[in-house]
Amino acid sequence: AQTVTQSQPEMSVQEAETVTLSCTYDTSESDYYLFWYKQPPSRQMILVIRQEAYKQQNATENRFSVNFQKAAKSFSLKISDSQLGDAAMYFCAYSQDFGNEKLTFGTGTRLTIIP
Amino acid sequence: GAVVSQHPSRVICKSGTSVKIECRSLDFQATTMFWYRQFPKQSLMLMATSNEGSKATYEQGVEKDKFLINHASLTLSTLTVTSAHPEDSSFYICSASSEDRQYFGPGTRLTVT
Repeated sequence: AQTVTQSQPEMSVQEAETVTLSCTYDTSESDYYLFWYKQPPSRQMILVIRQEAYKQQNATENRFSVNFQKAAKSFSLKISDSQLGDAAMYFCAYSQDFGNEKLTFGTGTRLTIIP
Repeated sequence: GAVVSQHPSRVICKSGTSVKIECRSLDFQATTMFWYRQFPKQSLMLMATSNEGSKATYEQGVEKDKFLINHASLTLSTLTVTSAHPEDSSFYICSASSEDRQYFGPGTRLTVT
């Protein structure tokens, strides 16, 4: 079975600074998909960024980028120019498909932005 | 982007009663929907996978007779918690699949007294 591990229960960063959230996973599959989801206090899950395992190039979405290390089974999220609105729980997730397969979530990292 | 709704957003019920939670994809058709449960300060745990027109697939440890799932149309899946007990109190989140991703509902907070 696939597992996803987030070793940082809480992180904090000064506004406008950069922060990196860590995620490791375990799978025997060669093709899979990785995601970072944000859950603000409203509890609505928001997709931040996703990565296809077959792509070597790291995904980027504006201020959000990932460092995907397939051999190390590592998938970290970098948030640049942190903003107050970035404060939330961040979950790393694994799936065998973009949409039609279940997501396996990590335990989450609570990110606090310090003004 | 696509919208998924859940109803109700909050529900309080007495122990021993049943409660139904609806999950709707408002602007797209979803052959697959997922039901997750999230306890306070914890992660989302998949309960079951719901496929339109067929029986749901439950994760290990989830009682299928207690958590009844029906996916009668391409836009609606329902989760019924039968004979609810206080330990069933939780935040229930559904998601609906499109071709490229899952879209999440806003969640339902269930409190069993």
